[in-house]
Amino acid sequence: ETGVTQTPRHLVMGMTNKKSLKCEQHLGHNAMYWYKQSAKKPLELMFVYSLEERVENNSVPSRFSPECPNSSHLFLHLHTLQPEDSALYLCASSRGTSGNYEQFFGPGTRLTVL
Amino acid sequence: AQTVTQSQPEMSVQEAETVTLSCTYDTSESDYYLFWYKQPPSRQMILVIRQEAYKQQNATENRFSVNFQKAAKSFSLKISDSQLGDAAMYFCAYSGYGGSQGNLIFGKGTKLSVKP
Repeated sequence: ETGVTQTPRHLVMGMTNKKSLKCEQHLGHNAMYWYKQSAKKPLELMFVYSLEERVENNSVPSRFSPECPNSSHLFLHLHTLQPEDSALYLCASSRGTSGNYEQFFGPGTRLTVL
Repeated sequence: AQTVTQSQPEMSVQEAETVTLSCTYDTSESDYYLFWYKQPPSRQMILVIRQEAYKQQNATENRFSVNFQKAAKSFSLKISDSQLGDAAMYFCAYSGYGGSQGNLIFGKGTKLSVKP
């Protein structure tokens, strides 16, 4: 379970705060993903990075800002969030973005927006 | 657009018994992949089993097997000899080939409880 790590595991923030979520993969993968997992809803893909370039942005509000400085690290910068943004944020990585590649998930960051 | 439907929000099984989780999907593609992922409580999501649509043979991984019915667009997961460690959320997922078609589309999940 240490292939993909995420920090922090829990985060409580106010609507005016700025915080960042961090993801690191130790698998030598070229693709990384951010997902939002809300109760009773399917996992929602937010962003996809392939070889450090963003290749997918699923109409995510601008208050979420991803950053991929290298193929091992992925960040999600948060600012002026809303209470409805409270959710589990999952990071994943895979060898490539082709559909046959297994995605490996991190443990997630449980975000609560007050 | 592709969709994945899991019609059973919760299921329960007795230890050592067999349980089947249902999944249906909608796509106009002929080639794609289907997955079952397991998310134990407070633990990481892991891949359970994968099926390539062009393969007629159902995938099997130890106690886990699938019933893939391409014409019916059905992809159920059978867990045999259920164990306490099988208790988790199970997500069915679809992906096409390459580019944005390679992105995973998930169902809402089925929460499986295992009774001792």
